[in-house]
Amino acid sequence: DAGVIQSPRHEVTEMGQEVTLRCKPISGHDYLFWYRQTMMRGLELLIYFNNNVPIDDSGMPEDRFSAKMPNASFSTLKIQPSEPRDSAVYFCASSRRLAVYEQYFGPGTRLTVT
Amino acid sequence: AQTVTQSQPEMSVQEAETVTLSCTYDTSESDYYLFWYKQPPSRQMILVIRQEAYKQQNATENRFSVNFQKAAKSFSLKISDSQLGDAAMYFCAYLAGGTSYGKLTFGQGTILTVHP
Repeated sequence: DAGVIQSPRHEVTEMGQEVTLRCKPISGHDYLFWYRQTMMRGLELLIYFNNNVPIDDSGMPEDRFSAKMPNASFSTLKIQPSEPRDSAVYFCASSRRLAVYEQYFGPGTRLTVT
Repeated sequence: AQTVTQSQPEMSVQEAETVTLSCTYDTSESDYYLFWYKQPPSRQMILVIRQEAYKQQNATENRFSVNFQKAAKSFSLKISDSQLGDAAMYFCAYLAGGTSYGKLTFGQGTILTVHP
């Protein structure tokens, strides 16, 4: 099993630019989660999907953030426009419906907005 | 809202010794799970151990074990025979059942240093 795949691993962009982070969950997993890790706020859940449908997006910080899951094997997290305070590590995780308690994390994308 | 508190920002241990990391949580739920995740410098989040709230028996995974005190809402991690590879940031996490199923809430983390 390839595990959760995230791309890019590192992203450096200028303030105001659009950023798109990508995630491929483990095949057969029904749930997909997006987390953000910062020094100030720690690890926090942004949004999660069940069978490609967003279930809870209450953690999305503001309208500049959006997430989609067009199919079971792909999800994106988009920031438009980006700001320096968006600099963080963004993790994607996935789990099976019958074992939502066991979330498998991707390697994360380190985003730096200058 | 559920909260998870790790009161030890940093801990250190000598190789081959035992160390205990503390975690407390606050919830009104009766159905939930508790976890310890390890994050080494590679930043990959690795699940170390899981505890179901309905189970009275403490979970163990090789050198890792927990002390789950449900009434006290305490969930500590004991690492026995510490190894250099155990050095990492450790996160305690809570996951509720019911309608909040799927939402992991993390503590602030504890940095563990292992001295040779």
